[in-house]
Amino acid sequence: DTGVSQDPRHKITKRGQNVTFRCDPISEHNRLYWYRQTLGQGPEFLTYFQNEAQLEKSRLLSDRFSAERPKGSFSTLEIQRTEQGDSAMYLCASRTSGGQMSYNEQFFGPGTRLTVL
Amino acid sequence: AQSVTQLDSHVSVSEGTPVLLRCNYSSSYSPSLFWYVQHPNKGLQLLLKYTSAATLVKGINGFEAEFKKSETSFHLTKPSAHMSDAAEYFCVVSGTGKLIFGQGTELSVKP
Repeated sequence: DTGVSQDPRHKITKRGQNVTFRCDPISEHNRLYWYRQTLGQGPEFLTYFQNEAQLEKSRLLSDRFSAERPKGSFSTLEIQRTEQGDSAMYLCASRTSGGQMSYNEQFFGPGTRLTVL
Repeated sequence: AQSVTQLDSHVSVSEGTPVLLRCNYSSSYSPSLFWYVQHPNKGLQLLLKYTSAATLVKGINGFEAEFKKSETSFHLTKPSAHMSDAAEYFCVVSGTGKLIFGQGTELSVKP
C-alpha cells in the first residue's frame, strides 16, 4: 500500500501527558498537511510543510503543539500537556507541489483518534 | 477570505432515488472546489474537483457537481442512490494551498 499512513490509529491518554503522532506521506509528495477534526465538524487546517520547511501554521496551533518534518519525508505532531479539548481525529494529507497547485488533490491518511481523559 | 457552507447537515434518501447535497462558497477570486467523502473509520477520499475547464464536473461512483458562479454554488448530485453511498460528504475550497472544509452533510440511504 503506497498511500498516506498514520501511527498510531488510536491514542488514549490522561490530561497533562504528552503525545506524539507520526505521518508517512506518499513518497513522491513534497507537501504535507495536518488537520484536526472534532466530532460533527469538518477537518480544520493546522499546519503544512513543503519538504522540511514549515510554511504556515493556523491560529488553532497553540504553543502546546509542535510539528516537524526533519528530512522532508515523515512528519510528527506533538501535543504537550494534553487537555480534554484536544480530543479529536488528527488527519495527515500529502500532495505534490507542481503544476496548477490549487487543483492538486490532497491524499489523506486514516487519521489518529486522540482521546484525552 | 474563502469559505464554504453546506446547507444541510443531514440528508436522507431512499435507494434508487436522486441525491442532492448543497454547497455554497465564498471566494474573492476564482475558486478551486472539491467534494470529499468520508466513510466510517476510513480516510477522506476525493469524489471530484472543479478545475475551471468545465462547469459540470464528473466524479467517481456516478457523482457529479455543477459550478454556478452566479449562484456561488457547487452542489453535488447523483441520479440514483446506492446503499454504499451512505457516508459524510464535505464540500471544500482550496485556499493558499490548504483546504477549507464545510461542516459536512451526512447522507443516509434507506432500503
